[in-house]
Amino acid sequence: QKEVEQDPGPLSVPEGAIVSLNCTYSNSAFQYFMWYRQYSRKGPELLMYTYSSGNKEDGRFTAQVDKSSKYISLFIRDSQPSDSATYLCATGNNRLAFGKGNQVVVIP
Amino acid sequence: GAGVSQSPRYKVAKRGQDVALRCDPISGHVSLFWYQQALGQGPEFLTYFQNEAQLDKSGLPSDRFFAERPEGSVSTLKIQRTQQEDSAVYLCASSLSQGFKETQYFGPGTRLLVL
Repeated sequence: QKEVEQDPGPLSVPEGAIVSLNCTYSNSAFQYFMWYRQYSRKGPELLMYTYSSGNKEDGRFTAQVDKSSKYISLFIRDSQPSDSATYLCATGNNRLAFGKGNQVVVIP
Repeated sequence: GAGVSQSPRYKVAKRGQDVALRCDPISGHVSLFWYQQALGQGPEFLTYFQNEAQLDKSGLPSDRFFAERPEGSVSTLKIQRTQQEDSAVYLCASSLSQGFKETQYFGPGTRLLVL
């Protein structure tokens, strides 16, 4: 079983829609959960992180962690064409375990 | 300030050739990480340094892969006798210190194609 599972299907949404992404993880010892954004032919960049359970909001982005179900979510409100990228969930301590990523396309 | 830089950005190698990939971390960053990202996949951990010490190399796929960071700054990932399955993007990341709360900053990667 992989440490982080993320359904890698692409997602196309119209501008202004809400984007919902999620992952599951296997190791209950993990405390720190991240979402990275990766534009084409670039390295991943940290978008948001959450420590333990709960929600964290940053502008149009909300990250949620439910440790009881080992579930990580990212919501993007009022999506913009500039949000078009691959979104990777990750967790771990030093060595990060990543999901496969979701390619999101926001259509103007 | 300058981010993590990697060179070369693209490398084409013939099967059996040795390659060396370079990573320049952010100045002052103690920890350095290498990841391998296959097409359509998330990055997979390869190895990790704290200063010049290689603390974890459990992700290196075979003994053909070797990484070093002799002076605790620049790092080189070497792949000997390259195989087609080595074709991937090799990402380097650095962080100010170690620990799960330290953000890892990634470079743009080296795209390796083995023919």
